[in-house]
Amino acid sequence: AQSVTQLDSQVPVFEEAPVELRCNYSSSVSVYLFWYVQYPNQGLQLLLKYLSGSTLVESINGFEAEFNKSQTSFHLRKPSVHISDTAEYFCAVSDRETSGSRLTFGEGTQLTVNP
Amino acid sequence: EPEVTQTPSHQVTQMGQEVILRCVPISNHLYFYWYRQILGQKVEFLVSFYNNEISEKSEIFDDQFSVERPDGSNFTLKIRSTKLEDSAMYFCASRGGPGRDNEQFFGPGTRLTVL
Repeated sequence: AQSVTQLDSQVPVFEEAPVELRCNYSSSVSVYLFWYVQYPNQGLQLLLKYLSGSTLVESINGFEAEFNKSQTSFHLRKPSVHISDTAEYFCAVSDRETSGSRLTFGEGTQLTVNP
Repeated sequence: EPEVTQTPSHQVTQMGQEVILRCVPISNHLYFYWYRQILGQKVEFLVSFYNNEISEKSEIFDDQFSVERPDGSNFTLKIRSTKLEDSAMYFCASRGGPGRDNEQFFGPGTRLTVL
C-alpha cells in the first residue's frame, strides 16, 4: 500500500516569487511519482512525472520536481510564479511493479498567487 | 490531441435513484479507471478495469457500484441506489497498455449531486 502526504494545504505567494509545494510518500514497493494540477471547475491535468532516469523532472511551464529516494520526497518548485498558476496541485504515486495500478493521491495543496 | 470525455458534466438525482456516468476513454488505451473527489477532499480511487474485467477495486466500491464497457468505446459507472454521500465529482481515466507510458489521462469529470 502507498500513502502520500502533502504538508501544506494552502500556499499563498506573490506573483514572481518562488514557490515549493512539498510531497512525501510512503510505500513498501517502488513507485512512479506524479504531480497533477486542477484549475477551478476543471479536471486533473498531468504536470510532470518521474518514471526513471534523472531525478529532476521539468514541465513545459517552468515547474520542476526532484525525486529524493532517501527522503521519500517529490517536492514541486517554480522559481517565479504567475497569477495563472493559481490552482490545486496534487501529488500522486503508483506502484511500479503492478501494471496498470491505481494512483494514490495526496490531500492537495491550493496555490494562490496574488498580484 | 486525443482526450478522455465524460457525460453528463453535471447530474442531479434523488436519493435511492440509479445513475449511470459515461466515459469515452482514449481509443487505443487498455486500462480504465474511475476516481471520485468529494468536495474539498482528495481524489480517491474507486476501480480499475482491464481486459474486460475489474482488476482492482477500493473499499469504497461496494455492491452499489458496477462498471461496464458495453461496446468497446464507452466505459460506464453505475450506482444502483444513490446515497447523499455519493455526491462528488467522478473522474474517468485511461492509460495505454503494459510497457507503455504510465500516465493516466483524466476526463473533465461528472459532478453528481444527490438530493
